[in-house]
Amino acid sequence: AQSVSQHNHHVILSEAASLELGCNYSYGGTVNLFWYVQYPGQHLQLLLKYFSGDPLVKGIKGFEAEFIKSKFSFNLRKPSVQWSDTAEYFCAVNARGNNRLAFGKGNQVVVIP
Amino acid sequence: NAGVTQTPKFRVLKTGQSMTLLCAQDMNHEYMYWYRQDPGMGLRLIHYSVGEGTTAKGEVPDGYNVSRLKKQNFLLGLESAAPSQTSVYFCASNRGTSGTYNEQFFGPGTRLTVL
Repeated sequence: AQSVSQHNHHVILSEAASLELGCNYSYGGTVNLFWYVQYPGQHLQLLLKYFSGDPLVKGIKGFEAEFIKSKFSFNLRKPSVQWSDTAEYFCAVNARGNNRLAFGKGNQVVVIP
Repeated sequence: NAGVTQTPKFRVLKTGQSMTLLCAQDMNHEYMYWYRQDPGMGLRLIHYSVGEGTTAKGEVPDGYNVSRLKKQNFLLGLESAAPSQTSVYFCASNRGTSGTYNEQFFGPGTRLTVL
């Protein structure tokens, strides 16, 4: 079964700082990769996803993620955060052809104005 | 399209009471899921369904039952609620397992407190 690790559960940043959230997974086969965001009091929304092709994926709101197969990683980045990026971010993985998603424990990001 | 909807949004139960959470989707998705979200634990899969009339256990199924009598609805039942079931419950659905069909769409959540 696949598992997902997210580090640095709590991240506090000032506006305009750069953000990078790590995501590592354990599964040897072909995977689909996702980053979801949950704003305070809201449900999960998809930020970006990787299925195949260019390993650098661009998502909504200026976020991007890079799939590095050799490192089993799918790190999320944003060059300059805003106060409105305060949210919890979840990395999720599933094996190709498998409907079940494995989620990481999330990163709580707080951006200080 | 409403997407994925959940009812109720909030509920408080006493230990031992029962209740049913309803999830509905209007996207004609085959797959539906129930997750629970607890602080520092991420989302954990309770049960899921790969089509009308089917259900399967996820990671944390104990104390819950589900039914998928209609393709658009997925019900989560608690027969005898326990304080450990205090959580936020999310329903999700997706179209299939290949390519972009794999993206799961989430409902707004149900916040359940068991006293």
